[in-house]
Amino acid sequence: DAGVIQSPRHEVTEMGQEVTLRCKPISGHDYLFWYRQTMMRGLELLIYFNNNVPIDDSGMPEDRFSAKMPNASFSTLKIQPSEPRDSAVYFCASLGGTEADTQYFGPGTRLTVL
Amino acid sequence: GENVEQHPSTLSVQEGDSAVIKCTYSDSASNYFPWYKQELGKRPQLIIDIRSNVGEKKDQRIAVTLNKTAKHFSLHITETQPEDSAVYFCAASGRGNTPLVFGKGTRLSVIA
Repeated sequence: DAGVIQSPRHEVTEMGQEVTLRCKPISGHDYLFWYRQTMMRGLELLIYFNNNVPIDDSGMPEDRFSAKMPNASFSTLKIQPSEPRDSAVYFCASLGGTEADTQYFGPGTRLTVL
Repeated sequence: GENVEQHPSTLSVQEGDSAVIKCTYSDSASNYFPWYKQELGKRPQLIIDIRSNVGEKKDQRIAVTLNKTAKHFSLHITETQPEDSAVYFCAASGRGNTPLVFGKGTRLSVIA
């Protein structure tokens, strides 16, 4: 398995633009997590899904953030409109299958909002 | 909800010495405690984990200990090498259906 896949790896955009981050979890995993990492706040859980259903989105900072999981192999995190303070590394992670506790991270998307 | 505290935030050791990173958690129902290593510009990667029915686990130079009564767990790295330099995160969760809560991380520097 290729592991968790994220795209793009780097995104530079201007304030006010829409940003869409993409994630493909490991096949067979039924949990998917979106995290944001910054120096100041560390690793923050934004939202997580179980069997494509959002379970807890209390970490989503504002209504500008939204996430979807239309099927078991794809999820998106959208920011509209983006702001400079959204600049961070966004990680997707998945969990499930035979290793029921082990959470695997994707390579992350480094977002810079100018 | 769960709260995980991690200390120290930075740690410098001489190559060959041991390094110890400590974490405490607040939710007595937590029963899964992984440790992740994150190298600069890379993703967090699991290096070792421990479940609540075990007090200690070792994997070569890395060991983790768990004290459920005191609600703390520690990562021990022996014979440190320069490639051990990274940020280490502890985490805690209930089994399966609850997400990991991460500590703030410890930046370990191994000085050759």
